[in-house]
Amino acid sequence: ETGVTQTPRHLVMGMTNKKSLKCEQHLGHNAMYWYKQSAKKPLELMFVYSLEERVENNSVPSRFSPECPNSSHLFLHLHTLQPEDSALYLCASSQAGSTSGANVLTFGAGSRLTVL
Amino acid sequence: GQNIDQPTEMTATEGAIVQINCTYQTSGFNGLFWYQQHAGEAPTFLSYNVLDGLEEKGRFSSFLSRSKGYSYLLLKELQMKDSASYLCAVRDANYQLIWGAGTKLIIKP
Repeated sequence: ETGVTQTPRHLVMGMTNKKSLKCEQHLGHNAMYWYKQSAKKPLELMFVYSLEERVENNSVPSRFSPECPNSSHLFLHLHTLQPEDSALYLCASSQAGSTSGANVLTFGAGSRLTVL
Repeated sequence: GQNIDQPTEMTATEGAIVQINCTYQTSGFNGLFWYQQHAGEAPTFLSYNVLDGLEEKGRFSSFLSRSKGYSYLLLKELQMKDSASYLCAVRDANYQLIWGAGTKLIIKP
């Protein structure tokens, strides 16, 4: 399989549940990202991993916990979420380290999360 | 603060031409991106502008004016499959991507 794959595509969970989102990239990229996409709002960067180290955490609540075991896999662990966390969670990858050129992000199709 | 503005929604007719505008105010500039996102699918890269002028790629063209903080995406010979959201993003002085909220383009027969 090629590109960026996210599972599950859809997830419904209660506020007390614990679940995880998974992302896998087959592009040989060395940076991976989690974004939150809410209707009619700009993409919100949540976490960035470069060379398997977290380089950015944009004031994301602790109920979201990322994990990057290797350069091909990224997880987002979810715990005690709130209804306002319902959104599309997008994973992306890129070849980090170059400040010239496009350094284009390749996105997965997203995991649609509904918190009841 | 940093800001990207683009229209929320536009409607156009199959076979016609449409221009989607994007204006930005950012701390520095290191390139502007356009992505296309069909409903329920991943955003996919369309174009990248770092110098002023027009970049053409088939039916799609993207224009940049850095002095005006302005870009547009031009779609020609519109097809029904062009119905999608179009996302504008600017890379700032710290190489962070600042995103617009996207423009939903509806194509009518």
